[in-house]
Amino acid sequence: QVQLQESGPRLVKPSETLSLSCTVSGGSISGYFWSWIRQPPGKGLEWIGYIHSDGSTKYSPSLRSRVTISLDTSKNQVSLTLSSVTAADTALYYCARPNTSGWSGFGYWGQGALVTVSS
Amino acid sequence: DIQMTQSPSTLSASVGDRVTITCRASQSISSWLAWYQQKPGRAPKLLVYKASDLESGVPSRFSGSGSGTEFTLTINSLQPDDFATYYCQQYNVYSGTFGQGTKVEIK
Repeated sequence: QVQLQESGPRLVKPSETLSLSCTVSGGSISGYFWSWIRQPPGKGLEWIGYIHSDGSTKYSPSLRSRVTISLDTSKNQVSLTLSSVTAADTALYYCARPNTSGWSGFGYWGQGALVTVSS
Repeated sequence: DIQMTQSPSTLSASVGDRVTITCRASQSISSWLAWYQQKPGRAPKLLVYKASDLESGVPSRFSGSGSGTEFTLTINSLQPDDFATYYCQQYNVYSGTFGQGTKVEIK
């Protein structure tokens, strides 16, 4: 059973860089699309972007200038960095993966990591 | 960038009711649409993919339909466990925009 677990600092100062990791257990990173999604408190879901195991990436146009998603296959981890954060970036950050090797709905989700941007 | 619009934002219903949630895309997405259920404090759960294919283990009272720009999620005979927030998501051309959500609450 594939499991995803987000980790990283939960408090980030304004203008600094948010960094999270998603550790994948019970399966390999290879052959799949890995996405990050965020949800501000009390609000809806926002897709941030994906990385495929072949290294290709695609990001949401609204975040493209500040976001990087990367892979560490040796650690079976997917990482997210978001630069120049503001209070508007305070959110629950999820990593997720489709059930199949294609680009599809997300059948696997982590439990989420709440990141607060505050001085 | 494809925009997704859900309606209504909130829906009040009773146990046993049939409820329908609509999702509209700003341009055609063929059948590349998923529906999720989210309960407070939990990650979203995939219910439907490719507009009408039911995810394994999801009760048959849930069904999805539509193609192009207009889609619906129907819950037949609403159960107490179904009170939650529902999101649509398009996954056309390798992007993944979500709708703003529909909260189904107890009438």
